[in-house]
Amino acid sequence: DAKTTQPPSMDCAEGRAANLPCNHSTISGNEYVYWYRQIHSQGPQYIIHGLKNNETNEMASLIITEDRKSSTLILPHATLRDTAVYYCIVRVLRGGGADGLTFGKGTHLIIQP
Amino acid sequence: EAGVAQSPRYKIIEKRQSVAFWCNPISGHATLYWYQQILGQGPKLLIQFQNNGVVDDSQLPKDRFSAERLKGVDSTLKIQPAKLEDSAVYLCASSFRDRGGGEQFFGPGTRLTVL
Repeated sequence: DAKTTQPPSMDCAEGRAANLPCNHSTISGNEYVYWYRQIHSQGPQYIIHGLKNNETNEMASLIITEDRKSSTLILPHATLRDTAVYYCIVRVLRGGGADGLTFGKGTHLIIQP
Repeated sequence: EAGVAQSPRYKIIEKRQSVAFWCNPISGHATLYWYQQILGQGPKLLIQFQNNGVVDDSQLPKDRFSAERLKGVDSTLKIQPAKLEDSAVYLCASSFRDRGGGEQFFGPGTRLTVL
């Protein structure tokens, strides 16, 4: 799976949009971009994933550049409960095979009141 | 829907002792994973089960770690004997899709301290 690069930490004011960047310049054509987050003392939680088109769900939006070498996770109206470590993961979907997640160190997002 | 259950939540042992962790995945989830998360790092996959068979154990330190999922439901992870560097949070996750790539649901983890 391709390697990802994320800033170690970011701050965002409560109520504003939080934009978390991820660089995955070596991504292959069949690799998806996944985002998970981990709130303190909890297990990671799935947020969203995409291949090449932008995606949106009730939690966030995922914007993938046209060349797919980078992406941005957007939390539209950040709340204090969004303070967490956010992981960007690139992976191939292997039917019936090994598909464990490869986590980096992620971005520690701190929402300021 | 009940989430992934793990027990115990905390465990403190001395080095060279043995320890076991238990995981009950979400009902109906065929795939089960064990991850190790050392402080300050992201989780690292130890082993993946598909029903009761092992799919990937390439990163499991087999000289001291073992895991089983006898009936394709619950799973146990054992460390024998424990070392200081095994101090970490052990996370269990499960996934419904047996064709790979499904969303993984994580339990709260077991925090192990080895003294």
